[in-house]
Amino acid sequence: GNSVTQMEGPVTLSEEAFLTINCTYTATGYPSLFWYVQYPGEGLQLLLKATKADDKGSNKGFEATYRKETTSFHLEKGSVQVSDSAVYFCALRDRNFNKFYFGSGTKLNVKP
Amino acid sequence: DAGVIQSPRHEVTEMGQEVTLRCKPISGHDYLFWYRQTMMRGLELLIYFNNNVPIDDSGMPEDRFSAKMPNASFSTLKIQPSEPRDSAVYFCASSLRSGGADTQYFGPGTRLTVL
Repeated sequence: GNSVTQMEGPVTLSEEAFLTINCTYTATGYPSLFWYVQYPGEGLQLLLKATKADDKGSNKGFEATYRKETTSFHLEKGSVQVSDSAVYFCALRDRNFNKFYFGSGTKLNVKP
Repeated sequence: DAGVIQSPRHEVTEMGQEVTLRCKPISGHDYLFWYRQTMMRGLELLIYFNNNVPIDDSGMPEDRFSAKMPNASFSTLKIQPSEPRDSAVYFCASSLRSGGADTQYFGPGTRLTVL
């Protein structure tokens, strides 16, 4: 079946620190992979995506590479800001049914 | 584009009452999803529609929950009767199937409190 596992939070970092949030997946077939971000009191927003193996998604300084050999899609940012504090969700899309599977979310706290 | 619109944004009701949540998807999108988010269970898919037809309702917790999509621009999620354990944030999302690049767009959510 399809599932997504991401590292548990919260993750607390100082401003300008390097960020990694791990995400691994199990899928039947060849899914598309996504990272969504949720700010307090808001809905989920697409952060970045990758549709095939070795693709790199990037946005706002965040990056993630679709690694088929390790079934991973880890989120990275070289220098986090206080404004990056939010909950981050890794997700995969089953192409056959257009159904999305979300991880449990990782809360990021960035301190000034 | 106005994005996905949900109403109400907040709902407080008493146990046993009927609750109706509403969603307007992005114009032209052919998929609509209803999710529930709680601290304990995270983000759960309740049901989703394709071209107004329910495709998978396996996430609907019990018969008290029902969802409809009478046309391409409107959907409702109804809880009757409501219970305190239904308290959560309910999200609606829509997407357009376009090959491998489909993206779900979420609404702002409805925060439901059942007393």
